[in-house]
Amino acid sequence: EAGVAQSPRYKIIEKRQSVAFWCNPISGHATLYWYQQILGQGPKLLIQFQNNGVVDDSQLPKDRFSAERLKGVDSTLKIQPAKLEDSAVYLCASNPSGTDTQYFGPGTRLTVL
Amino acid sequence: QKEVEQDPGPLSVPEGAIVSLNCTYSNSAFQYFMWYRQYSRKGPELLMYTYSSGNKEDGRFTAQVDKSSKYISLFIRDSQPSDSATYLCAMKRTAGGSYIPTFGRGTSLIVHP
Repeated sequence: EAGVAQSPRYKIIEKRQSVAFWCNPISGHATLYWYQQILGQGPKLLIQFQNNGVVDDSQLPKDRFSAERLKGVDSTLKIQPAKLEDSAVYLCASNPSGTDTQYFGPGTRLTVL
Repeated sequence: QKEVEQDPGPLSVPEGAIVSLNCTYSNSAFQYFMWYRQYSRKGPELLMYTYSSGNKEDGRFTAQVDKSSKYISLFIRDSQPSDSATYLCAMKRTAGGSYIPTFGRGTSLIVHP
């Protein structure tokens, strides 16, 4: 079974630029999560999708971050414009319906200069 | 005060030692408790998942939950150098029929030969 795929793995941008991350969850997994993990901290939930609907986005900075999950499969997370404090690893995770076991992707490491 | 508190360490132990990792939480709405292991530059992977107060054992790992004290623990017996990683506690609360996760900041564990 293929795992959660994320791309790119690394991204370096300057502040005020925009950036997008892509996540392909495990096939059949209804729930998809985006997390931000700043160095030395635990993952912070940004947004949680159930199929293509949003379950929780209370910690998503909506003035600059946006996310979508078209057709309930792949998802993209966008930052526009980026700030220095957005430097972090962005993790995508998914779990199938009826379970709470999250499977994490390898993450995208973002550096904002 | 953060909802989930976890000492970042590092915790350094000799091979074969019993390791005790802990988290405290403040939100009584948390119902599900998990421990994840995260190796450097990798996504977290689920180790243990518990619901009720008490102990749950899986091989060398034992998870303990005390809801009355809002305190959870993970014990690792016969620790090995390969156990060196960051251990994240995580908890879930219900919201609108879904489960919303919150992670601790993680404890860095070093097991030296």
